[in-house]
Amino acid sequence: QKEVEQNSGPLSVPEGAIASLNCTYSDRGSQSFFWYRQYSGKSPELIMFIYSNGDKEDGRFTAQLNKASQYVSLLIRDSQPSDSATYLCAVNGAGGTSYGKLTFGQGTILTVHP
Amino acid sequence: DAGVIQSPRHEVTEMGQEVTLRCKPISGHNSLFWYRQTMMRGLELLIYFNNNVPIDDSGMPEDRFSAKMPNASFSTLKIQPSEPRDSAVYFCASMAGFTDTQYFGPGTRLTVL
Repeated sequence: QKEVEQNSGPLSVPEGAIASLNCTYSDRGSQSFFWYRQYSGKSPELIMFIYSNGDKEDGRFTAQLNKASQYVSLLIRDSQPSDSATYLCAVNGAGGTSYGKLTFGQGTILTVHP
Repeated sequence: DAGVIQSPRHEVTEMGQEVTLRCKPISGHNSLFWYRQTMMRGLELLIYFNNNVPIDDSGMPEDRFSAKMPNASFSTLKIQPSEPRDSAVYFCASMAGFTDTQYFGPGTRLTVL
């Protein structure tokens, strides 16, 4: 079982729709959770992080965390063609020397079509 | 701020040659990470340093790989000898204190023929 799992997609949504990206993780001790966006040929860039159960909103992006279910998601409202990219879910280690040690999922390819 | 700087951006070499990848972290950041990204395996952490000291190298694939951080502003990842299966994009990232936010460099695309 992979430590961080994502549906690889591709996920295709029309412009203006809500895109929903999902991620599950195996380490119950994980403390922090991240969503990175990676455009083709570019490096990952952080778009959201979340530490506590519930929702966290930042502009068109909402991260949702459910530690009991070991599940984290990213919603993108009013999707734009410029949102087309690979979205990587990452989970931080449980502490000690694991702190800062991110484990990434394989990523979900999102395509927003006009 | 210049961001994380990596060099070279592209490297093409022949099997058996030594390859050295370089990274300059963001000034003031005290943690540095080396990642490798391939289609098959995704983005994998190879090694990370805190205050120039290697903390976890469990992701280094084998003894052919080595990494150093002689000072706070420079790190190298060396592969000797290189093999075709080492072909990948290698990213360096840095992080300040316990902020949890890692900033990635542009990456080095390595091709081993």
